[in-house]
Amino acid sequence: AQTVTQSQPEMSVQEAETVTLSCTYDTSESDYYLFWYKQPPSRQMILVIRQEAYKQQNATENRFSVNFQKAAKSFSLKISDSQLGDAAMYFCAYRYNAGNMLTFGGGTRLMVKP
Amino acid sequence: EAGVVQSPRYKIIEKKQPVAFWCNPISGHNTLYWYRQNLGQGPELLIRYENEEAVDDSQLPKDRFSAERLKGVDSTLKIQPAELGDSAVYLCASSLTSGAYNEQFFGPGTRLTVL
Repeated sequence: AQTVTQSQPEMSVQEAETVTLSCTYDTSESDYYLFWYKQPPSRQMILVIRQEAYKQQNATENRFSVNFQKAAKSFSLKISDSQLGDAAMYFCAYRYNAGNMLTFGGGTRLMVKP
Repeated sequence: EAGVVQSPRYKIIEKKQPVAFWCNPISGHNTLYWYRQNLGQGPELLIRYENEEAVDDSQLPKDRFSAERLKGVDSTLKIQPAELGDSAVYLCASSLTSGAYNEQFFGPGTRLTVL
């Protein structure tokens, strides 16, 4: 069974600084997708960034980028130039390519200090 | 374009009472998901629909939970009778199809408190 682990229950960053959220996963599959979701206090979860396992290049979306280490089964999220609106719960998630279920980690609460 | 709509947003009931949650997915989305999110944890899938057919309900506690998606659009998730441990946020999500690449769009959730 696939598992996703986020070892940082809470992280704090100063506004305009950079923060990295960690995620590790366990799978025996070679073809899969990894995701980072953001869940603000209002609870509507939105997709931040997506990575296909077959791609070696790390995904980037504006201030958000990932460090995907397939052999180490590590998938960290880097947020540059942190903004107050980045404060939220962040969830790492895994989805097998031929499957349909998202498996989520336990989440990391990010606080942004002005 | 309207997102995934859920109602009610909050529900407080006493144990052993029934409760129902409603979800309206994004127009044109064939796949609909119900997740349960316990406090401080990530969401866990309860059931997935492809149009009106439930194709993955292995995580749904069938003794007390039921779901339906009549006409392949709106969906209702029911709990009868509710137990204290059912207190959680119930999230609905939808996607165009079930392919792994397809983004799942989430609704705001229904926060259930069972007293």
